[in-house]
Amino acid sequence: DAGVIQSPRHEVTEMGQEVTLRCKPISGHNSLFWYRQTMMRGLELLIYFNNNVPIDDSGMPEDRFSAKMPNASFSTLKIQPSEPRDSAVYFCASSQTSGNTIYFGEGSWLTVV
Amino acid sequence: AQSVSQHNHHVILSEAASLELGCNYSYGGTVNLFWYVQYPGQHLQLLLKYFSGDPLVKGIKGFEAEFIKSKFSFNLRKPSVQWSDTAEYFCAVNASGDTGRRALTFGSGTRLQVQP
Repeated sequence: DAGVIQSPRHEVTEMGQEVTLRCKPISGHNSLFWYRQTMMRGLELLIYFNNNVPIDDSGMPEDRFSAKMPNASFSTLKIQPSEPRDSAVYFCASSQTSGNTIYFGEGSWLTVV
Repeated sequence: AQSVSQHNHHVILSEAASLELGCNYSYGGTVNLFWYVQYPGQHLQLLLKYFSGDPLVKGIKGFEAEFIKSKFSFNLRKPSVQWSDTAEYFCAVNASGDTGRRALTFGSGTRLQVQP
């Protein structure tokens, strides 16, 4: 079975550029989560969707960050403009609404120089 | 809001030693509890989970954890570690039955280093 699929796996970009991270959740899962992992702050929830609707975006750092889920099989996390402090691993995860186990993708490793 | 505390930030053991990693959570309601493992350079993988029933749960790779409700704890154990267990371990919690807070809250992680 395909797990949560994220792209790109690695991205290096210059400060000020727009970054778009993509996620395809596990088929049949209707909850989707974006997490950010850094050495300093550990794993932080940025936003999560249920049935394509954002439920909690209180973790989104600032207006430079935005997330969308146009359909049940695709979500994006966009950073515009990017800054060096955005360098982190961004994980997408999904679960069934009726279930409790959350499955993680392999992450997008972002470096902003 | 939930919170999770992992008191051991870095643990170094020799192979065959026993392991216990502490996890305490704070939440007023019923919770689901998880341990995830992250091997170097990889994503998080589920080790084990507790939803209800027997408070002693067994996971993959010989790991187990015990939920002690009175202590708000969910410690991870393994009788004999191997070098391949070198990884970072995360305890996590979400609110049971609360569709508004299905997102996991993670602890800060414990880095386990097993020396051959």
